[in-house]
Order: sequence, then structure tokens, then C-alpha cells
Amino acid sequence: GAVVSQHPSRVICKSGTSVKIECRSLDFQATTMFWYRQFPKQSLMLMATSNEGSKATYEQGVEKDKFLINHASLTLSTLTVTSAHPEDSSFYICSARQGLANEKLFFGSGTQLSVL
Amino acid sequence: RKEVEQDPGPFNVPEGATVAFNCTYSNSASQSFFWYRQDCRKEPKLLMSVYSSGNEDGRFTAQLNRASQYISLLIRDSKLSDSATYLCVVTRILNSGYSTLTFGKGTMLLVSP
Repeated sequence: GAVVSQHPSRVICKSGTSVKIECRSLDFQATTMFWYRQFPKQSLMLMATSNEGSKATYEQGVEKDKFLINHASLTLSTLTVTSAHPEDSSFYICSARQGLANEKLFFGSGTQLSVL
Repeated sequence: RKEVEQDPGPFNVPEGATVAFNCTYSNSASQSFFWYRQDCRKEPKLLMSVYSSGNEDGRFTAQLNRASQYISLLIRDSKLSDSATYLCVVTRILNSGYSTLTFGKGTMLLVSP
């Protein structure tokens, strides 16, 4: 089946640093990638939707200048948490979809970000 | 009303029990429905699609009721390994041709010995 690789799986960083998370579709072209955040014991929250070659669409309440998303190719999307603070500590997951109307999602394995 | 609603639980059941979850959706134009399973600190994994005619996969049975706008998941003979959060996903196609996927907040199941 289709595989989405997410890296790194765990990051511990100091407050004020920027952290980049990569999401790659290994054996298919991901027209659309989604980025989610999940706090402990809470549900997945969609942060943004990114279509290859265009600007990401952010959900209400998500700061686009803080969470920079780049989807420059059909196999790679990155999420950069700029000037991370302790409240940004969370589990970040990407998912990818092949085709605009394709409903099947393939998830990365997630990145646990801890900001000290 | 939220687009997709689930009882967060937790549902505490003993091994061997039968347990059922429901998920309601508000948009009658919703087209496809899925159940995902998520273990703690892991990514969601597709458990099964849900069809109007109902579908079964081993101990799992999914049903769709379009008239009442809900889907259900029935787990028979619960195993300890079934302990997880079960997410309901609803999709619909927009005029642009894109499809939107909306996740419910999930229902937590705890199966005890």
C-alpha cells in the first residue's frame, strides 16, 4: 500500500528555535497534503491543507506566519514551526491524498514536538 | 451543530463484550464514510469504509443510516487489543472538485481483562 514517511518522529528543542517537519509520499504523487495537530487526550485538529504548487489553506485560528507550510513537489510537504514556544508542544501528523477527489488518506507516523 | 459528532467515551467493556459506537453528521450532502482507529501517539489507520448496505469485516460491522444521518460501528467479542480511539470520518465533494474530509473527535474504547 501507499506509504507516507514523516520525519523526525520526535523533536526536543529550546524555546525560540524553529523546527521543520517533513512529510514524503514514497510511492505515489500526493496532490494534497494535510497537517494536523493533536494535544494529549484530544482529537486531531486540522491545521492546514496544502495543494502542490499553491499556497496552503489554513484553518481558522492557525497562524500562517508561525506554521509555514511548503508543498513544492508532489512528493514532499514541510511544516516549519517558527520560534517555537512550550505551548506549541504537541503531536503533529501529516496525511496525503492522491488526486483532488480521492477520499483515501495515507498518514505519516507523526512527530512529537516538545519545546522546553 | 458540529459537522461530525461522536460520544467521546470512554467506553469501558470487559473482554468478550459487544460494543457499539455511533457517529452523527449534519450535512446531508456527505458522500462517503469511514471508521479509523487511532492508538495513543500513533497515526490514525483506516479500519473500514461504511456502505449503505452495511459491511462486515470479521468482528467489526459498520452501518450507514442516511435518513437519520448517522453511522455506526459494532465490535463483537472485544479483545484487549481493540482498546483505542475510533474516529468517524465523513467526506463530500465540493463544487471545485476537491473533496473535504471531516474527522469526528473520536470515541475511546477501553477493553479490560
